[in-house]
Amino acid sequence: EVQLVESGGGLAQPGGSLRLSCAASGLTFSNYGMSWVRQAPGKGLEWVSAISDHGGSTYYADSVKGRFTISRDDSKNTLYLQMNSLRVEDTAVYYCAKDSPICTVWGQGTLVTVSS
Amino acid sequence: EIVMTQSPATLSVSPGERATLFCRASQSVSSDLAWYQQKPGQAPRLLIYGASTRATGIPARFSGSGSGTEFTLTISSLQSEDFAVYYCQQYNHWPPGTFGGGTKVEIK
Repeated sequence: EVQLVESGGGLAQPGGSLRLSCAASGLTFSNYGMSWVRQAPGKGLEWVSAISDHGGSTYYADSVKGRFTISRDDSKNTLYLQMNSLRVEDTAVYYCAKDSPICTVWGQGTLVTVSS
Repeated sequence: EIVMTQSPATLSVSPGERATLFCRASQSVSSDLAWYQQKPGQAPRLLIYGASTRATGIPARFSGSGSGTEFTLTISSLQSEDFAVYYCQQYNHWPPGTFGGGTKVEIK
């Protein structure tokens, strides 16, 4: 069974940074593209970023381009999202998901709150 | 960017009844359309991809149809566990994989 467990969320100040991690198990991680999707409190889903299998290609929503960086460590079966220059509007639950563009399996999410 | 519009925003249905949810794309996305279910406090779950193919383990009461700009998700006989929010997502013009605003299916 595929399991995805996010961590690294928390409170950050505007302009600050956080790094999210997503630990994957139950799959040959390097063979799959991975995605990050976020959900602001009480709102809908917003696709954030994706990375191809083996990490050769990365993709970003315009709203985070230049501020967020997606990466992966296949030796650790872990996906990352480095978030810099955080804004209040980045406040959301961040989900990692297996595959892109279709998100076939989702983690439980980690909450990021950006506030002064 | 493709805009996905879901209707209605809220659908009140009695258990055992049929529910029909709609998703419209601002331009053609062919059959590159997925549906997700999200229950309160839980992560979304993939239901349908390719507009009409059920994901692994999804009951047959869930069916998807449509192509181009108009899509439908039908739940043939609502069970108590089906009351949730449903999102469509296009992936034909990707990135980004734009989601619709969601339809909440509530108990009537």
